[in-house]
Amino acid sequence: NAGVTQTPKFQVLKTGQSMTLQCAQDMNHNSMYWYRQDPGMGLRLIYYSASEGTTDKGEVPNGYNVSRLNKREFSLRLESAAPSQTSVYFCASTSGQSSYEQYFGPGTRLTVT
Amino acid sequence: SQKIEQNSEALNIQEGKTATLTCNYTNYSPAYLQWYRQDPGRGPVFLLLIRENEKEKRKERLKVTFDTTLKQSLFHITASQPADSATYLCALVGNAGNMLTFGGGTRLMVKP
Repeated sequence: NAGVTQTPKFQVLKTGQSMTLQCAQDMNHNSMYWYRQDPGMGLRLIYYSASEGTTDKGEVPNGYNVSRLNKREFSLRLESAAPSQTSVYFCASTSGQSSYEQYFGPGTRLTVT
Repeated sequence: SQKIEQNSEALNIQEGKTATLTCNYTNYSPAYLQWYRQDPGRGPVFLLLIRENEKEKRKERLKVTFDTTLKQSLFHITASQPADSATYLCALVGNAGNMLTFGGGTRLMVKP
């Protein structure tokens, strides 16, 4: 039981390049989330998927797109990376029951030069 | 707009003492409040949840209080240990339960 996995762990992009961050969970959770974490800013929600087949914008969606490929996988795509997207990205999932506890992946550290 | 404030300055305490961290919020009526622990280079890990109709919740050496009138939660670690050193995040959960809003976190350093 790996929990929530993310790839890659580190990535350096040049401005204008594109990339996809991958996330998978093996806990049969319905809801999945993408956050970014910047120093002093806490975790900010980019997009979330309440259930397979649905996606919704969070607090900071501009410059990103997401795909809920199936119940296990939720990917985040940067179409044209900008230096302002330099951050640590976390994927999370929850069963959506009782405590609404979110399980987080180990994060992807992205630098855009 | 919704705002969640945690002390951005690190909290330094001596081993064995009680650490108290504060989470204040405005323009929000959360149904639940959660606390997470985050170690450097890792994702947050869930610790405790407290509901709006609960005043206090305990788990081992952890205690959380929730005052919806003051719009404040206090997070206590009793008999603190160096292994408790980490950043602690509070998160508010709305009635729908499917979205969290996080505070910026407070770094706790417990010195031996």
